[in-house]
Amino acid sequence: AQSVTQLDSQVPVFEEAPVELRCNYSSSVSVYLFWYVQYPNQGLQLLLKYLSGSTLVKGINGFEAEFNKSQTSFHLRKPSVHISDTAEYFCAVTDNSGGSNYKLTFGKGTLLTVNP
Amino acid sequence: SQTIHQWPATLVQPVGSPLSLECTVEGTSNPNLYWYRQAAGRGLQLLFYSVGIGQISSEVPQNLSASRPQDRQFILSSKKLLLSDSGFYLCAWSTGNYGYTFGSGTRLTVV
Repeated sequence: AQSVTQLDSQVPVFEEAPVELRCNYSSSVSVYLFWYVQYPNQGLQLLLKYLSGSTLVKGINGFEAEFNKSQTSFHLRKPSVHISDTAEYFCAVTDNSGGSNYKLTFGKGTLLTVNP
Repeated sequence: SQTIHQWPATLVQPVGSPLSLECTVEGTSNPNLYWYRQAAGRGLQLLFYSVGIGQISSEVPQNLSASRPQDRQFILSSKKLLLSDSGFYLCAWSTGNYGYTFGSGTRLTVV
């Protein structure tokens, strides 16, 4: 079984500042990792995913994340945030062998608030 | 292209009334289907998932049930709603191990 810990429940930042949203996972098997974004009263939208290959993954809206296997982390970063990035962000993990029927395990989410 | 439809967008129901939320997927075959609930401040809770027609797995004991009468249709139901059933319900699908595509969600308020 896998678990995900998002270390910050809320992250306030000023517009144009850099941001890092932290995610650590626990798993006894190899994993795939995902970040999703949720705007108010909407479903979740995939930001980026790590399946294999380069540990630095680039996603939509200028976000990127780095997979660190030794630290079991998958932190999300953006060098300069906009007001429109205000949303809740979820980190998720799954067993990459398909043994869990492709079920994702989600963290509890981090609310990113970008202030002018 | 693949799309997922979820309705209604909002629903206000009295305690003790029945519930039926529907989710349909287009543009893919034999997807895995999922129902999640999101309560305020509590993240995403997996309620049910299905790997095929008539195959339903329940993740948590509760007042809800799910059915998959067709390959691309997933229904969440309750015979009698409780106040604690209020929340934001999300349907999602996947094929393979590459993440989910989510519907737009249903905001259920039980009064």
